Amino acid sequence: KAGVTQTPRYLIKTRGQQVTLSCSPISGHRSVSWYQQTPGQGLQFLFEYFSETQRNKGNFPGRFSGRQFSNSRSEMNVSTLELGDSALYLCASSLDRGASETQYFGPGTRLLVL
Amino acid sequence: DAKTTQPPSMDCAEGRAANLPCNHSTISGNEYVYWYRQIHSQGPQYIIHGLKNNETNEMASLIITEDRKSSTLILPHATLRDTAVYYCISASSGGGADGLTFGKGTHLIIQP
Repeated sequence: KAGVTQTPRYLIKTRGQQVTLSCSPISGHRSVSWYQQTPGQGLQFLFEYFSETQRNKGNFPGRFSGRQFSNSRSEMNVSTLELGDSALYLCASSLDRGASETQYFGPGTRLLVL
Repeated sequence: DAKTTQPPSMDCAEGRAANLPCNHSTISGNEYVYWYRQIHSQGPQYIIHGLKNNETNEMASLIITEDRKSSTLILPHATLRDTAVYYCISASSGGGADGLTFGKGTHLIIQP
């Protein structure tokens, strides 16, 4: 079974631009979560989608948004990019919600904001 | 989710068992203990998880103390490819819904 895939793998943008990242979960997985990883803050939870609805959100500004499609694929969008948005963005999928549902991570999208 | 505490770094000789400790003294009854590892610049890789019983899979063993206040991840025969940052995480009943809270983890270095 194919793992979680993320596109693009690398991206360079300039301040003020917006960016859309894509995540395809493992087949059959319905929950998709997004995380941001930076050297200073480590891995931080952004949001989680299940059945096309955002179920929970981490402590990030409204410039960070996402959505999930009926096939469980998910996208996240960052508007008005800032230098501090440079990070590795990780997507994780799980079969369902709940503490016993293991999250499997994709390889990430590395975003550089200049 | 309960906070977990791990040593920042550990060394282990290749071929020996690597024992990575984790303290989660405030863990509640419905919180699972998860272990992930991250090799530089890659996505975290799931290793193992458990609630109160010890668990074993093809990658590792997880030993959880009876009071559930601490656990140990055991890599039975460490190889150089096991060099990575290992994260111990407790996940509440919200699980993925609340997001996994990653700490700084333990940087395990396998020495040849």
